[in-house]
Amino acid sequence: QVQLVQSGAEVKKPGASVKVSCKVSGDTLTELSMHWVRQVPGKGPVWMGGLDPDDGETVYAPKFQGRVTLTEDTSTDTAYMELNSLTSEDTAVYYCVAIYSGSHEFDYWGQGTLVTVSS
Amino acid sequence: DIQMTQSPSSLSASVGDRVTITCRASQGISKSLAWFQQNPGKAPRSLIFAASSLQSGVPSRFSGSGSGTDFTLTISGLQPEDFATYYCQQYNTYPLTFGGGTKLEIK
Repeated sequence: QVQLVQSGAEVKKPGASVKVSCKVSGDTLTELSMHWVRQVPGKGPVWMGGLDPDDGETVYAPKFQGRVTLTEDTSTDTAYMELNSLTSEDTAVYYCVAIYSGSHEFDYWGQGTLVTVSS
Repeated sequence: DIQMTQSPSSLSASVGDRVTITCRASQGISKSLAWFQQNPGKAPRSLIFAASSLQSGVPSRFSGSGSGTDFTLTISGLQPEDFATYYCQQYNTYPLTFGGGTKLEIK
């Protein structure tokens, strides 16, 4: 069974950057297309970007384009999401979500990482 | 972007009831629709994909239907652990988008 374990909560100042990690166990990162979703407490999830399972290209939501970078280290089966120029509106729980090879739907979710942006 | 509209936004029901949640897409998405369940403070859990296919381990009291623009999630015989918030999500077109959620509460 695939498990996604994310890094711990972060507190950042406005203007700073944050990098959240997502470690895969139970399979290898190369068998998955990793995506990132964030959720402001009390609101619905919002997709940020991820690896297109059809062509392997990284796709970003227009809302975050230019401010978010998704990377992977296949040697450690770890995916990363880095978000720059943080404001208080970026305070949210960030989830990594995996699509298994051969499918297009979200199959596995990480436990979430709370990022708080506050001066 | 494809807008996903869920209704109702909240719903009260009793254990044993049958409930239906609706999700409408602003344009056709074939059957590229998923449903998720979320409890407070927890990550969403994948319930249904391809509009009507149950994820592994999901009880058979959950069912989904629809295609194109109109979809439904039905829970037959509500159990105490089913009282949660439910979201639909389309994965037909980027950017991927979610519905606003339906909070299912105990009556």
